[in-house]
Amino acid sequence: ETGVTQTPRHLVMGMTNKKSLKCEQHLGHNAMYWYKQSAKKPLELMFVYNFKEQTENNSVPSRFSPECPNSSHLFLHLHTLQPEDSALYLCASSRTENEKLFFGSGTQLSVL
Amino acid sequence: GQQLNQSPQSMFIQEGEDVSMNCTSSSIFNTWLWYKQEPGEGPVLLIALYKAGELTSNGRLTAQFGITRKDSFLNISASIPSDVGIYFCAGGIQGAQKLVFGQGTRLTINP
Repeated sequence: ETGVTQTPRHLVMGMTNKKSLKCEQHLGHNAMYWYKQSAKKPLELMFVYNFKEQTENNSVPSRFSPECPNSSHLFLHLHTLQPEDSALYLCASSRTENEKLFFGSGTQLSVL
Repeated sequence: GQQLNQSPQSMFIQEGEDVSMNCTSSSIFNTWLWYKQEPGEGPVLLIALYKAGELTSNGRLTAQFGITRKDSFLNISASIPSDVGIYFCAGGIQGAQKLVFGQGTRLTINP
């Protein structure tokens, strides 16, 4: 238990579906992150939020839409995804942007 | 962009053996982190290094921040079955926001 909880753990969706991934951290951290982990590729940073403000969008396609309503919660809204978007999506948090990351268990996403 | 070369990509060892893996880069980093990921879970931080030359231990794990700031290694002594997993290095510039991850070393242990 790292203090970062992600739901759902597994998700299967069609290319026309809309779904959302949820992340909640119980560590009192101020920065939250979305990473994508594909097979045989390094972890890819997608988005960074610091004190609810987005500070990094790593050229992510608009079919991925993040939302950070407060410092403890982070969402990733998914719409019209492609099969190549299938991956493990990891949420992480840190006390500030300059500190080590704590990861959630991830959501394993399959797009059919 | 910055890249990390992590090696080896995979290791198959006998229980009780020592393990060594490393990460190298052409870029300088201010922070080196080592994570372990088990199947179905997210990466868990093992060791964080913040100064060139720093040598830090966590139980049977030892990691060093290279003097040139372009490399780091992780050693595991007397491996046990629960050491199985994928080990990632990560280099940081200006803090966690700029972490660059290696491709991982998959460790398999034969009992």
